[in-house]
Amino acid sequence: AQSVTQLDSQVPVFEEAPVELRCNYSSSVSVYLFWYVQYPNQGLQLLLKYLSGSTLVESINGFEAEFNKSQTSFHLRKPSVHISDTAEYFCAVSDRRTGFQKLVFGTGTRLLVSP
Amino acid sequence: DTAVSQTPKYLVTQMGNDKSIKCEQNLGHDTMYWYKQDSKKFLKIMFSYNNKELIINETVPNRFSPKSPDKAHLNLHINSLELGDSAVYFCASSQFGLAGRETQYFGPGTRLLVL
Repeated sequence: AQSVTQLDSQVPVFEEAPVELRCNYSSSVSVYLFWYVQYPNQGLQLLLKYLSGSTLVESINGFEAEFNKSQTSFHLRKPSVHISDTAEYFCAVSDRRTGFQKLVFGTGTRLLVSP
Repeated sequence: DTAVSQTPKYLVTQMGNDKSIKCEQNLGHDTMYWYKQDSKKFLKIMFSYNNKELIINETVPNRFSPKSPDKAHLNLHINSLELGDSAVYFCASSQFGLAGRETQYFGPGTRLLVL
């Protein structure tokens, strides 16, 4: 079984400041890693995912995440946040062995960007 | 032209009632999911169907019964509603065959309140 820990339930930050949202996972098998974002009153949208290859993955809106196998982490970073980045961010894992996807989510981190 | 739609958006009902939530996707996907998000934003998979066949069935009370009439639809029927069923229910879809690497597309959610 897998589990995901997002230690920060809420991260307040000023506009244009850098931010890091932490994600650690526990699994006895190899996993795929995902970050999903939930804007207020909406469903989740995929932000980025790590499948294989380069451990640094990027999204189209300036976020990046780095897979660190030794630390079992997949932290999400952005060098300069915008007000519009205010949302709930969920880290998730999926077992590589199964032929289908069963996402296990963390408890989410609320990013609050202030002017 | 909504990709994944859910009806109703809000549902307020009394304990003991039976209710259904409907989900439809027009993405041509063959796999659909139901998730429950509790008041603390924790998101957990309930069911998944691939080509109308149940492939994920988590530990969910048997008062919850999913039904997939075709690949584009996955409905959730809940009998004898309890206070603890109050939550946001999300439907999602994806294309099977990517061995866990696929992206899930989420609907906007159905906010269920049991009084």
